[in-house]
Amino acid sequence: DQQVKQNSPSLSVQEGRISILNCDYTNSMFDYFLWYKKYPAEGPTFLISISSIKDKNEDGRFTVFLNKSAKHLSLHIVPSQPGDSAVYFCAASATNTGNQFYFGTGTSLTVIP
Amino acid sequence: GAVVSQHPSRVICKSGTSVKIECRSLDFQATTMFWYRQFPKQSLMLMATSNEGSKATYEQGVEKDKFLINHASLTLSTLTVTSAHPEDSSFYICSATPLADTQYFGPGTRLTVL
Repeated sequence: DQQVKQNSPSLSVQEGRISILNCDYTNSMFDYFLWYKKYPAEGPTFLISISSIKDKNEDGRFTVFLNKSAKHLSLHIVPSQPGDSAVYFCAASATNTGNQFYFGTGTSLTVIP
Repeated sequence: GAVVSQHPSRVICKSGTSVKIECRSLDFQATTMFWYRQFPKQSLMLMATSNEGSKATYEQGVEKDKFLINHASLTLSTLTVTSAHPEDSSFYICSATPLADTQYFGPGTRLTVL
């Protein structure tokens, strides 16, 4: 079964507004979480990560929030720009399993100018 | 939910040997599978696109004779690293797409070449 889930396959947001992408996981042993951005015909590019000892990590316009009790993480993009239009994948790994990655199925973000 | 598995999850081999990595879609048929290699800063480089019943399409700079890809069935693609060298040590990840425009990633295989 999918251990990492992204239940929204697509999201459209107006330029300048906030984009919120959500990700849920089932394995409580996951202790490291990542977000990737993917353009068509390219490999996913690492965007931002968060360790389970934190509940928030910020990098410029991108902020990742982690709610361990809910097994939920989210990526906030503020303000959204047309260049942010891409597919976003969340991934999780657990130190005690050799850091294997478990990816969600992706959310396609469209930022409307 | 759809699951993609990879086997083995880790492999250590001597320089000069060949290593085969399997990627399986467990509950769906995947006409297309992708192979990625993880580089520093954790980004994934697309190595090749594997289509069932036809030759794989390799990205520029990827040696097709070194990284052999066989998409033998709608649920199995294999990546063979031939004559592996220490610089081939990396994390290899596959993903599979059913007919819909969704990618399901495998958990990855860590290759260490001594």
